[in-house]
Amino acid sequence: SQKIEQNSEALNIQEGKTATLTCNYTNYSPAYLQWYRQDPGRGPVFLLLIRENEKEKRKERLKVTFDTTLKQSLFHITASQPADSATYLCALDVGDTDKLIFGTGTRLQVFP
Amino acid sequence: DAGVTQSPTHLIKTRGQQVTLRCSPKSGHDTVSWYQQALGQGPQFIFQYYEEEERQRGNFPDRFSGHQYPNYSSELNVNALLLGDSALYLCASNPTRDRSYNEQFFGPGTRLTVL
Repeated sequence: SQKIEQNSEALNIQEGKTATLTCNYTNYSPAYLQWYRQDPGRGPVFLLLIRENEKEKRKERLKVTFDTTLKQSLFHITASQPADSATYLCALDVGDTDKLIFGTGTRLQVFP
Repeated sequence: DAGVTQSPTHLIKTRGQQVTLRCSPKSGHDTVSWYQQALGQGPQFIFQYYEEEERQRGNFPDRFSGHQYPNYSSELNVNALLLGDSALYLCASNPTRDRSYNEQFFGPGTRLTVL
């Protein structure tokens, strides 16, 4: 069956450290993968998109890698801050019409 | 630019009732998708509307239906509500005409509680 798994329900790290979140998928061949941030009671907010022919993408303190052989994406936040505390969702496209399949999310807590 | 807007913010219904949720897409966007997000889960795709027609559908029963108007706004209707329909309902939009924009712009959601 098709499945998207994100590592551990919660990740707690100290301010200033690098947070690494994992997204693994099976039985998909996505053209691209996206990462979203979601705060409690709010809709997801787009962060980064990486295409199947790209290995790495960066945006400010964020970095995403995409390994289509391993069927895995890693999402890094460097120099993490308490304001980075939120749930992070990975999502795959499943065709030409922008339908997204989401993982369950990883809740990140950055403490001072 | 107002972004994606949804109404109402919160809604409480009882089992068996019917509900209509509304969404206005971001300016310039012509495609609207609806997602259901249960507590502690990721959003699940319900369906997508483009040019006033349902273009794709997820694994949801026929109790879930929708509509898109000529101004691209959309409605989600759920009939015969069940307790399990309690969730955050998210609307997302994107401009299909411009294929470089693959990211979805989400609204704040409607929190539906079924008692």
